[in-house]
Amino acid sequence: AAGVIQSPRHLIKEKRETATLKCYPIPRHDTVYWYQQGPGQDPQFLISFYEKMQSDKGSIPDRFSAQQFSDYHSELNMSSLELGDSALYFCASSFQGGEQFFGPGTRLTVL
Amino acid sequence: AQKVTQAQTEISVVEKEDVTLDCVYETRDTTYYLFWYKQPPSGELVFLIRRNSFDEQNEISGRYSWNFQKSTSSFNFTITASQVVDSAVYFCALRVAGGTSYGKLTFGQGTILTVHP
Repeated sequence: AAGVIQSPRHLIKEKRETATLKCYPIPRHDTVYWYQQGPGQDPQFLISFYEKMQSDKGSIPDRFSAQQFSDYHSELNMSSLELGDSALYFCASSFQGGEQFFGPGTRLTVL
Repeated sequence: AQKVTQAQTEISVVEKEDVTLDCVYETRDTTYYLFWYKQPPSGELVFLIRRNSFDEQNEISGRYSWNFQKSTSSFNFTITASQVVDSAVYFCALRVAGGTSYGKLTFGQGTILTVHP
């Protein structure tokens, strides 16, 4: 069965650079969620989209923005990267707010 | 606001021992879902179980069992006859149904389980 796809799987950036993380949900899923998991931490909800509209927002920094496109894939854009942004970023998808299926995550390292 | 607390930060056992991971949650919503996820060293989040707030029936799946007690707001997870492959971080999570928080998962801090041969 198709799963959630995230790209890239690993990303290394310098401070103050910009990063774009992509998420391709399971086919026919209409809701996408983004979570950030710092080292030794639990995943923290950042933002979600339902039918291409933002549906909920968590503790997402103003330097981050996200959107969901017409094909339901989503991108998380992160600007002015800081050392503290180094984390594992998960995308999850669901159908109409149901069960969330997680992607493998993107490991972002900011040097 | 929702909150999930996992009292044990780390647990270390020897193979074949039984181990219970505790989870306590807080929510004012009457309809909610509880989850357990496993995060092995490779980093992915593996779904283990979902329970809704109206179903207090305990569940067993192989060596895994879950005890949901609404009266104490607890959703504990037991691994029977633990194996080295069970070594991972385990997260308990909560999701409410409806309202502005619809869909988002609130995770506990995680319990690091190490099973020694």
